[in-house]
Amino acid sequence: NAGVTQTPKFQVLKTGQSMTLQCAQDMNHNSMYWYRQDPGMGLRLIYYSASEGTTDKGEVPNGYNVSRLNKREFSLRLESAAPSQTSVYFCASSEALTRGPNTDTQYFGPGTRLTVL
Amino acid sequence: SQQGEEDPQALSIQEGENATMNCSYKTSINNLQWYRQNSGRGLVHLILIRSNEREKHSGRLRVTLDTSKKSSSLLITASRAADTASYFCAEGAQKLVFGQGTRLTINP
Repeated sequence: NAGVTQTPKFQVLKTGQSMTLQCAQDMNHNSMYWYRQDPGMGLRLIYYSASEGTTDKGEVPNGYNVSRLNKREFSLRLESAAPSQTSVYFCASSEALTRGPNTDTQYFGPGTRLTVL
Repeated sequence: SQQGEEDPQALSIQEGENATMNCSYKTSINNLQWYRQNSGRGLVHLILIRSNEREKHSGRLRVTLDTSKKSSSLLITASRAADTASYFCAEGAQKLVFGQGTRLTINP
């Protein structure tokens, strides 16, 4: 049971390049999330997927696209990277749609450190 | 925008002492969560307190919630070196809004 996994762990891009960050969870969770964390800051929600087949914008969606490939996988794509997107990106998942006291708990992956030059 | 605001931003104490961190938020909440982040790692869920609860315990952790003051506190008793981390409060059901965190350092 690996929990939430993310690839790659580190990435350096040049301005204008594109890339996709991959995330997978093996906890049969319905909801998945992408956050970014800038130095000394809390996490900000980029996009989330409440269930397979749905995606919604979070607080900072500009410059990003997402795909909920199936129940396990949720990818984040940067079409044309900019230096302002230099950050650590975290994927998370939660049960969400099911009832219960712990459905709001989110489980986080280890993060991807992205530098855009 | 950051919903939760933690206070203090940084806290340094001796091992064995208690650590208290505070979180204030601006709007009505359904629940509030606390997470820990070790340096360079992802966040780990610590405890969730619902709006109709006033206090919750988990091991050495104690969380209180005062909805009239829109504030919550996290108390870590008998601190250990392994408690050194950043602690974040987060408000929301699915679309969590995190504060900036408190960096806690436990000195041996």
